[in-house]
Amino acid sequence: SQELEQSPQSLIVQEGKNLTINCTSSKTLYGLYWYKQKYGEGLIFLMMLQKGGEEKSHEKITAKLDEKKQQSSLHITASQPSHAGIYLCGATPPGGYQKVTFGTGTKLQVIP
Amino acid sequence: GAVVSQHPSWVICKSGTSVKIECRSLDFQATTMFWYRQFPKQSLMLMATSNEGSKATYEQGVEKDKFLINHASLTLSTLTVTSAHPEDSSFYICSADGDAETQYFGPGTRLLVL
Repeated sequence: SQELEQSPQSLIVQEGKNLTINCTSSKTLYGLYWYKQKYGEGLIFLMMLQKGGEEKSHEKITAKLDEKKQQSSLHITASQPSHAGIYLCGATPPGGYQKVTFGTGTKLQVIP
Repeated sequence: GAVVSQHPSWVICKSGTSVKIECRSLDFQATTMFWYRQFPKQSLMLMATSNEGSKATYEQGVEKDKFLINHASLTLSTLTVTSAHPEDSSFYICSADGDAETQYFGPGTRLLVL
């Protein structure tokens, strides 16, 4: 089975600072998702990457998938308190089947 | 965008009772829905895949007689926790596949079994 390891497990940054969260897979990634969750609430879809070397941005968040498709990073520029939460990467198997295996999660706190 | 709702949002029940959680896709049809479970400070764990009109597929280690899943229509899947015990207390989240790229998640249901 596919395992996703995220690093760091938790992160505390000062408002305005940049940060990066990594997601490393034990197998080739066919579909890689990034979600944000405030604990005890549902997941907010951020981005989905499929192609090696792909990079997507939305507002101040950029996600990349490496060429070998085994590692993804999520970068937040000029962090704000609204970015605080738990970030989860998720992977889907080949074949378009949407079952998602989630990473271990990264808890982000942004200090004003 | 597509919306998935869950009901109830939280429930407290006595040990030994059964609890039903509903997951609805409000503005799209979902042939497949998924049920996840999340313990405090942990990531989401897939419990089962709910297929409209057929039996659910359970992940290894998940008791199918304990967690009954019914996907009676293209917009509704239900998860029934039978004879709930305190160790079943958790946060349950469903999701539905809306299109080829995105899976939409419900807001979750918090279950507390006393």
